[in-house]
Amino acid sequence: GQQVMQIPQYQHVQEGEDFTTYCNSSTTLSNIQWYKQRPGGHPVFLIQLVKSGEVKKQKRLTFQFGEAKKNSSLHITATQTTDVGTYFCAGEDRNRDDKIIFGKGTRLHILP
Amino acid sequence: DAGITQSPRHKVTETGTPVTLRCHQTENHRYMYWYRQDPGHGLRLIHYSYGVKDTDKGEVSDGYSVSRSKTEDFLLTLESATSSQTSVYFCAISESGVRGYGYTFGSGTRLTVV
Repeated sequence: GQQVMQIPQYQHVQEGEDFTTYCNSSTTLSNIQWYKQRPGGHPVFLIQLVKSGEVKKQKRLTFQFGEAKKNSSLHITATQTTDVGTYFCAGEDRNRDDKIIFGKGTRLHILP
Repeated sequence: DAGITQSPRHKVTETGTPVTLRCHQTENHRYMYWYRQDPGHGLRLIHYSYGVKDTDKGEVSDGYSVSRSKTEDFLLTLESATSSQTSVYFCAISESGVRGYGYTFGSGTRLTVV
């Protein structure tokens, strides 16, 4: 079945360093969403990408959707302690199934 | 998030007992979902609903049933709880269902089956 793989599983960075998480799908996606979950919290929707090659920015966060619509990335510039948490991607392939499939997430830990 | 609440927030139950978790929304969204979250597995869809009395199975539906008799309430029932169902359960709502748009998640229910 459709799979959404996310790497790395864990990432430790020094505060102020950049961070990137990658999401890869086994099928072409209709769209991809990104969520953030703080420790002990619930997932919170960040953004959705729909178009091939799309790039969106939210302050220090940059989201990209690949040209083939099979991969995506989230890049955080100059990480801060408030960035701690797990980042999930979630992909939808309307041609295959009508369910959104979540990646297993990347847990970001910030070293002070 | 405002507009979606889960109850209870925490529950400890014994193996073999039935358990019902409740999700209540005030957003009048059509689509509602139940997920479980376990270390190493991320978020896995249990069941979802696309309207009153319209539900469908997700990828890990065995041992679970759901009901939606009103737009605002989506109930998840563990018919006979097992230790493998110890997990954190999240309810989510969506305005446009599975076809795009972000999900709003509830705060979760931490269920322990002993």
